[in-house]
Amino acid sequence: GAVVSQHPSWVICKSGTSVKIECRSLDFQATTMFWYRQFPKQSLMLMATSNEGSKATYEQGVEKDKFLINHASLTLSTLTVTSAHPEDSSFYICSASWGRSTDTQYFGPGTRLTVL
Amino acid sequence: DQQVKQNSPSLSVQEGRISILNCDYTNSMFDYFLWYKKYPAEGPTFLISISSIKDKNEDGRFTVFLNKSAKHLSLHIVPSQPGDSAVYFCAARPMEYGNKLVFGAGTILRVKS
Repeated sequence: GAVVSQHPSWVICKSGTSVKIECRSLDFQATTMFWYRQFPKQSLMLMATSNEGSKATYEQGVEKDKFLINHASLTLSTLTVTSAHPEDSSFYICSASWGRSTDTQYFGPGTRLTVL
Repeated sequence: DQQVKQNSPSLSVQEGRISILNCDYTNSMFDYFLWYKKYPAEGPTFLISISSIKDKNEDGRFTVFLNKSAKHLSLHIVPSQPGDSAVYFCAARPMEYGNKLVFGAGTILRVKS
């Protein structure tokens, strides 16, 4: 099956610093990548949708200047949390899909971000 | 406004018995529904899906039923196994939004041996 990786799996950073999370599709070309955030015991909340070579589309309430998304190639998307604060601590998950016909998204293992 | 609802936060089932996980939705524009399984500290993995033109889809021990008039779907696992213990997310796709998915809050399934 399709494999999506994320790096790092766990990161701890100081308040005010920026953190970059990578999402890679290892065995397929992802035309679309999604970034989700999950708080404890809650659902996955879609943050943004990115298509290769174009600007990401952010969901309502998500600050695009704080959560920078770059989808530079068909196998790599990055999420940068800028000037991180403790309230940004969360589990960030990416997913990747190609076209519409497959109707599924393949998820990465997630990245646990802790901001001190 | 929560468009996809999983009203049972948890479910406990004896090994070998049937597990039934429920999901309700409010948006009639959803045209595709999926179930994902998630273990702690891992990303969700796709389990089974169903198109809105069908009312049942079966894959091994897993069967998804869709009742469009009631805006309700359910996932049946039979027989349940201890390895099925995980969080199960119901997701729905709005037909006008490509591959965007709307997730429910999840149901924790515990299968006791």
